[in-house]
Amino acid sequence: RKEVEQDPGPFNVPEGATVAFNCTYSNSASQSFFWYRQDCRKEPKLLMSVYSSGNEDGRFTAQLNRASQYISLLIRDSKLSDSATYLCVVNYSSYKLIFGSGTRLLVRP
Amino acid sequence: GAVVSQHPSWVICKSGTSVKIECRSLDFQATTMFWYRQFPKQSLMLMATSNEGSKATYEQGVEKDKFLINHASLTLSTLTVTSAHPEDSSFYICSAISMGQGPYEQYFGPGTRLTVT
Repeated sequence: RKEVEQDPGPFNVPEGATVAFNCTYSNSASQSFFWYRQDCRKEPKLLMSVYSSGNEDGRFTAQLNRASQYISLLIRDSKLSDSATYLCVVNYSSYKLIFGSGTRLLVRP
Repeated sequence: GAVVSQHPSWVICKSGTSVKIECRSLDFQATTMFWYRQFPKQSLMLMATSNEGSKATYEQGVEKDKFLINHASLTLSTLTVTSAHPEDSSFYICSAISMGQGPYEQYFGPGTRLTVT
């Protein structure tokens, strides 16, 4: 079983739509959780950290459910520029980051 | 924000040759650098962690004699792929952190695309 699992997609949505991605992780000792964004052939960039209480950054909302070992990302009012691959990332020891394989989002006009 | 550079951004080499990739932190001192590899449509996989002045720590399944890592200064780490084969073709990305930073504060380089023919 993969340590971090994501639906690869692609999710194909119109501009203005709301879209949600889910992620599950296998190690219950995981301590920190993040969503990264990766554009084609580019390095990943931190989108936001995920906290147990849930957190919001503009159009992006992240949720964490430790009991279910589940993380989510909600994007409201999708923009064309949101088209990218979204990586769920977990940390449970030192500085080691475990990346999911990503969920691809395509926002169409 | 902090900047990490990689050189070259892409390289094509023949099977059996060695390739060196550089990772530099441009405006901060990187006490720890990480090397990742990403195959198409797959996760970034951590290959090794290097601390300045000490030997790198390799992840399980990564051959340390094939992927030589040197972190000789606080701003430079190098990854040398020795005797490269076509299966080594991948996207290699480094990241760096400075002392006291948390794990999410890894600054990623732009990556190096290696193609072995």
